Order: sequence, then structure tokens, then C-alpha cells
Amino acid sequence: AQSVTQPDIHITVSEGASLELRCNYSYGATPYLFWYVQSPGQGLQLLLKYFSGDTLVQGIKGFEAEFKRSQSSFNLRKPSVHWSDAAEYFCAVGYTGFQKLVFGTGTRLLVSP
Amino acid sequence: EAGVTQFPSHSVIEKGQTVTLRCDPISGHDNLYWYRRVMGKEIKFLLHFVKESKQDESGMPNNRFLAERTGGTYSTLKVQPAELEDSGVYFCASHNDGSYEQYFGPGTRLTVT
Repeated sequence: AQSVTQPDIHITVSEGASLELRCNYSYGATPYLFWYVQSPGQGLQLLLKYFSGDTLVQGIKGFEAEFKRSQSSFNLRKPSVHWSDAAEYFCAVGYTGFQKLVFGTGTRLLVSP
Repeated sequence: EAGVTQFPSHSVIEKGQTVTLRCDPISGHDNLYWYRRVMGKEIKFLLHFVKESKQDESGMPNNRFLAERTGGTYSTLKVQPAELEDSGVYFCASHNDGSYEQYFGPGTRLTVT
């Protein structure tokens, strides 16, 4: 069965520091990859997506992610974290022919002053 | 353009009672999904509608859950009778044909006591 692993349940980063959230997926073919963010009291907002082409994708709010086929990974990065980035981040995978998304368990980001 | 809306935002019911959740997708989106997140776990797929037809209901936990989408517009998810393990956040998402980008609603937090 398809699965998505986000190994970090919680991460604390100082404001202004860089951030990397890890995501690994299990599947042989190239998946469709997504990062969503859920801020307190809000719904899931799409940060960025990868379907094909350039493996480094840019998203909203200064986030980027890199697809590495050899590592089955799609890690999310941001060079300088802002306090407003404190939220829960979800990696999700979709597959051709299967339109449902498979999610990881989420990583909660805390930003310290 | 209005986003995906869900009603109610919160619901607290007693074990054995019935609850109906509603989702209004983005206008024109034929594809509608229900997902659920139980506390501390990943967001899990429940089912997928294309217009009024159930395309995939493989994620529905048991026959206490009934989803409908009459007329291919809004959808309802009924839980009858509710059990303690049904507590969680229920998300609805929608997208256009040909697009893999799902737009999520804010979720309904269901608490069964």
C-alpha cells in the first residue's frame, strides 16, 4: 500500500533560521507530490506541488521543495522562517489513476523568538 | 470565487446519536472527496464522488457512514450511530476534471462523548 512518512512530529526553529521538513513516500512510479499547511483554526492550504519537470519547485510564502527520485523524497525548505510560519505541515502523494491523496502524519512547526 | 465550505465547524454529540456533515465544493468542481483525521494520525481518504456518483469509497470505515451527493453539488456525510472512535476532523476537498490539485475546506471537528 502507498504510504507517506514524515519522520518529525514536532520541529522547533528560531525565527530567521532555515527550515527543512522531511517527506518520504513509497511507490515505484513517479507520483504527484504536494505540501499543505494548516494554520490554527484554518483549513488545509496548498503550499506547492510537483507533477513533472524541474525537480525543484517553488511555492507560496517563500517555500520550496525538491523531488529526489533516488531517495523517494520531497523535502520542504525555507531559507528564513517567520513567526507566522508556525503551523502544521502535511506532505501528500497522489498517483496517476488514483485521485485520492495519501497523507503523512504531519509535522508541527514551532517558531521561537 | 468562494472556496470549499463545510458545516458545521464543530459538532459535539453523544455516542449513539446521529450527525450529518455538509460540504459545498467550489462551483463547477465535479470531483469531491471526504477525508478524516483522527487525533495524532494521518489524514485518511474516505471516499470520492464524481458528480453524483461514488467513484471510490474504499476508505469508508464501516456501514455507519453514509455519504451522498444528490444533484452533483453539495455532499453530506452522515454518521449513524456515532461511536467514540468516530471523533476527529472531517475534511472535504474538490477539484476540476483534469486537475490533481485538490482544494480543501476548513474541516468539521466532530467530538463523540
